[in-house]
Amino acid sequence: QKEVEQNSGPLSVPEGAIASLNCTYSDRGSQSFFWYRQYSGKSPELIMSIYSNGDKEDGRFTAQLNKASQYVSLLIRDSQPSDSATYLCAVKHRGSTLGRLYFGRGTQLTVWP
Amino acid sequence: KAGVTQTPRYLIKTRGQQVTLSCSPISGHRSVSWYQQTPGQGLQFLFEYFSETQRNKGNFPGRFSGRQFSNSRSEMNVSTLELGDSALYLCASSLVQGTNTEAFFGQGTRLTVV
Repeated sequence: QKEVEQNSGPLSVPEGAIASLNCTYSDRGSQSFFWYRQYSGKSPELIMSIYSNGDKEDGRFTAQLNKASQYVSLLIRDSQPSDSATYLCAVKHRGSTLGRLYFGRGTQLTVWP
Repeated sequence: KAGVTQTPRYLIKTRGQQVTLSCSPISGHRSVSWYQQTPGQGLQFLFEYFSETQRNKGNFPGRFSGRQFSNSRSEMNVSTLELGDSALYLCASSLVQGTNTEAFFGQGTRLTVV
């Protein structure tokens, strides 16, 4: 079973704070990791991808990957009300399921002014 | 550069009918995957196509099928619709099939079965 687990939330932070979203995965064959943002009633939007251990920064977003501990996280600095959405963690594996994304259930984030 | 285009955006069908959904990937992208999203199950993988061949298939009944054309456009078909098929159907486009490739979603088709 290739499971991806996320805290369902809701996670509520004030504007300007750092929001921390976490994701764990069960399959050590997991190869690449993605964070998607989904606004209510909309489709998922890719915001970050990370393939190797360590941190990857893009603007206010930082993805962190630790393959030994099988977790990946997303930090959102200087959170804005427009960041309020559901954040989905997704994983790809090596092998026969090459292109398939395995999704967590998502963490709902609310940023209040 | 145009994104992933799915048509139609909304669809209402009756139980027992069949439906065909269409997806045009980003220009130059050759891999198309389909997902079903429901509040109860989250995002579930249906299948993936690359170079007109189905490469992966999720755990859905045979009523769900798909195909990909030589221009990488893809269709999925659901026959003998059931109430439980009501969902948001999402198409994702990738440059190639592989692990270190990013997938971009279309706006989705909202299917309601009554």
